Amino acid sequence: DSGVTQTPKHLITATGQRVTLRCSPRSGDLSVYWYQQSLDQGLQFLIQYYNGEERAKGNILERFSAQQFPDLHSELNLSSLELGDSALYFCASSLASGHSPLHFGNGTRLTVT
Amino acid sequence: DQQVKQNSPSLSVQEGRISILNCDYTNSMFDYFLWYKKYPAEGPTFLISISSIKDKNEDGRFTVFLNKSAKHLSLHIVPSQPGDSAVYFCAASASNYGGSQGNLIFGKGTKLSVKP
Repeated sequence: DSGVTQTPKHLITATGQRVTLRCSPRSGDLSVYWYQQSLDQGLQFLIQYYNGEERAKGNILERFSAQQFPDLHSELNLSSLELGDSALYFCASSLASGHSPLHFGNGTRLTVT
Repeated sequence: DQQVKQNSPSLSVQEGRISILNCDYTNSMFDYFLWYKKYPAEGPTFLISISSIKDKNEDGRFTVFLNKSAKHLSLHIVPSQPGDSAVYFCAASASNYGGSQGNLIFGKGTKLSVKP
């Protein structure tokens, strides 16, 4: 158990809809990262927050947004969903923003129909 | 442009033998490298890492080798066990890359099968 909790585990929704994925980092971790894993793809970095502030952005679409709350949990909001957004979305956390291993949750599987 | 490449999608090894997983990278700014293991329906699990100031790091049955001049790293598992069967991801990060040291760039993974 990595200590990172992601909810829900599965999500099925229709095109055009909006969903929110939730992540609780390991106790004490200040950094939260979001990754997307599509079919036959590696993990694509989306966005990072550190202690409530956005720290880095990767390949995140404008339809997607995220935030980290004062209690350090994070939410990833996906809107105007398209079929191609179907993927596994992983949250990871680490103690700091420097070189340290990321600890991943078990992911949320999003299916857009 | 794929900055971290794992050119072998799969690898099959006999139990007790050595497993060698390879990874190449293109960005010379990468200075920290990691290997993750992933089982189905689970998130990636950190395995071992290496800083660019070293060329080898060992942890039990797992050893990572880094060849900076070739921009290549490898993970050796000796001896391989059936429980090692999983997808292995290589990842890299760079200090001050995109404003953060922490975000990792992953390869697409290599599926290792260890046969009894």
